[in-house]
Amino acid sequence: AQSVTQPDIHITVSEGASLELRCNYSYGATPYLFWYVQSPGQGLQLLLKYFSGDTLVQGIKGFEAEFKRSQSSFNLRKPSVHWSDAAEYFCAVGAAASGTYKYIFGTGTRLKVLA
Amino acid sequence: EAGVVQSPRYKIIEKKQPVAFWCNPISGHNTLYWYRQNLGQGPELLIRYENEEAVDDSQLPKDRFSAERLKGVDSTLKIQPAELGDSAVYLCASSFRQGGSETQYFGPGTRLLVL
Repeated sequence: AQSVTQPDIHITVSEGASLELRCNYSYGATPYLFWYVQSPGQGLQLLLKYFSGDTLVQGIKGFEAEFKRSQSSFNLRKPSVHWSDAAEYFCAVGAAASGTYKYIFGTGTRLKVLA
Repeated sequence: EAGVVQSPRYKIIEKKQPVAFWCNPISGHNTLYWYRQNLGQGPELLIRYENEEAVDDSQLPKDRFSAERLKGVDSTLKIQPAELGDSAVYLCASSFRQGGSETQYFGPGTRLLVL
């Protein structure tokens, strides 16, 4: 069965420091991969997505992610974190399943940014 | 372009009462999703519509939950009767499939508290 693992429940970084959020997936074929961000009391906002092609994808707010097929990973990175990046981040896999197409979300990583 | 609209944003009810949520997807998006997000978890799919047709409702607790999408645009999700365990955020998302890929765009959610 398809699954998404975000091994870090909480991450704390200092403002200006670099950030990497981990995401591993289990899927038999090449998946569609997404990162969403959710601020408190808000819905999910799409940061970036990978469908095919260049394995390093750029997103909004200075985020990027790299698809590594050999490691079944799609880690999210940002070179310099801003206080406004504090939020919860969700990785998702878009996968065909039983004739339908569905997203499977990880449990999320909550990012705290220290001033 | 307006995003996915959901109402109400917040709802507090007593257990055994009915409750309904409304969603207006992005114009032109033929696929609509309802998710439930429990505290500290990622969203979990309840039901997916392709136009008016519910194509995946395998995770919808049909004894108390119902949904409809008349005319293939707006959708309502109903719970009757509500239970304490239904307290969660209910997210609506919409997408437009192009080729084999799609991107889901989320509304702000309805936060339900059942007392």
